[in-house]
Amino acid sequence: AQRVTQPEKLLSVFKGAPVELKCNYSYSGSPELFWYVQYSRQRLQLLLRHISRESIKGFTADLNKGETSFHLKKPFAQEEDSAMYYCALSGVSTDKLIFGTGTRLQVFP
Amino acid sequence: NAGVTQTPKFQVLKTGQSMTLQCAQDMNHEYMSWYRQDPGMGLRLIHYSVGAGITDQGEVPNGYNVSRSTTEDFPLRLLSAAPSQTSVYFCASSTPTQGSGLNTEAFFGQGTRLTVV
Repeated sequence: AQRVTQPEKLLSVFKGAPVELKCNYSYSGSPELFWYVQYSRQRLQLLLRHISRESIKGFTADLNKGETSFHLKKPFAQEEDSAMYYCALSGVSTDKLIFGTGTRLQVFP
Repeated sequence: NAGVTQTPKFQVLKTGQSMTLQCAQDMNHEYMSWYRQDPGMGLRLIHYSVGAGITDQGEVPNGYNVSRSTTEDFPLRLLSAAPSQTSVYFCASSTPTQGSGLNTEAFFGQGTRLTVV
């Protein structure tokens, strides 16, 4: 079964601290993994995708097929990073996005 | 460039009433979908469409109908609203990268907050 698991509902850190938002998945085949972010009063938007291997707003995520994980990391959190983060996956032959339950990141000054 | 537009932004319904949530996109995207967002449950797929005239059920389709008569529009219908359908509804659209099959970015509407009393 296709599933995305985000074990933390809430993650609170102080500004400047490292951040790691966990994401594990189950999928029979080769999935595409994404991180979407929803800032307060804004629409959901793409943060990054594993295929791009890029760093966006200081965030990176590495796909670990052995551990079926796609954790989102940032070495130094900023207050503007406070938002709801969703991990999502889709199959190569489909556009269906399966979302995790989301993790709310709070960055305190 | 409007992107994905949802109307209305807010709606209160009485149990048993029907209504249609509108979604329109101006990016000529083939794929459109509807999600509901509930606390602690993330986004769950209700229905989706891979092109005009083609729709299919997602994870939580019961109580909802969709149609896709044009590429641009993908309305979601609640036939007889129930309190369990109180949620925030999001419409999204995307198109696959030409030639590679890799999935591209999904663009979301601003959401419709629906309360059923």
